[in-house]
Amino acid sequence: GDSVTQMEGPVTLSEEAFLTINCTYTATGYPSLFWYVQYPGEGLQLLLKATKADDKGSNKGFEATYRKETTSFHLEKGSVQVSDSAVYFCALSVSGGYNKLIFGAGTRLAVHP
Amino acid sequence: DGGITQSPKYLFRKEGQNVTLSCEQNLNHDAMYWYRQDPGQGLRLIYYSQIVNDFQKGDIAEGYSVSREKKESFPLTVTSAQKNPTAFYLCASSIGLAGEQYFGPGTRLTVT
Repeated sequence: GDSVTQMEGPVTLSEEAFLTINCTYTATGYPSLFWYVQYPGEGLQLLLKATKADDKGSNKGFEATYRKETTSFHLEKGSVQVSDSAVYFCALSVSGGYNKLIFGAGTRLAVHP
Repeated sequence: DGGITQSPKYLFRKEGQNVTLSCEQNLNHDAMYWYRQDPGQGLRLIYYSQIVNDFQKGDIAEGYSVSREKKESFPLTVTSAQKNPTAFYLCASSIGLAGEQYFGPGTRLTVT
């Protein structure tokens, strides 16, 4: 079945460090790919998305490229801030019926000053 | 401001009691969803509704029930049949079933 695998956390970085959170997927068909962010005690917010191969989603300095050949959608940011500390979820949806989202387990990011 | 409201933020119940979680949206979205989040896991779909008076089971519907009498509201009842109800519950909505989902702030339910 369709699934998403994320690197385990927590990821601990110093402010201004480079961030990579790995995400790979398994899907039939042509999924859309998403990164959601969850700040402490809150719901999820859509961070970025890509709907087809080679698309790059970007927002707030974060970016991820849809790589069909490696079935990956890694999240990157060049310089993290303390305010980026949160849990990041990779997700996919496969059209056909409804927009069912399949989530990875989430990766917790902690950024220290 | 348009958005999704879930109340209460924290809810405590004794084992064997049914409990209903509220979800209200003023985004004029047709579709609504309920997810469950457990520590270290991603979200799992409990129920979803495409339109008023219609809803479908998700991946983990056992022990839960929903209703969709109004477009704005999609309450979730956690029944005593749910074996492990303690979790964080998230409600979401979208324009249609193919639209981007917007999430509420969540309700943390603790059953002892």
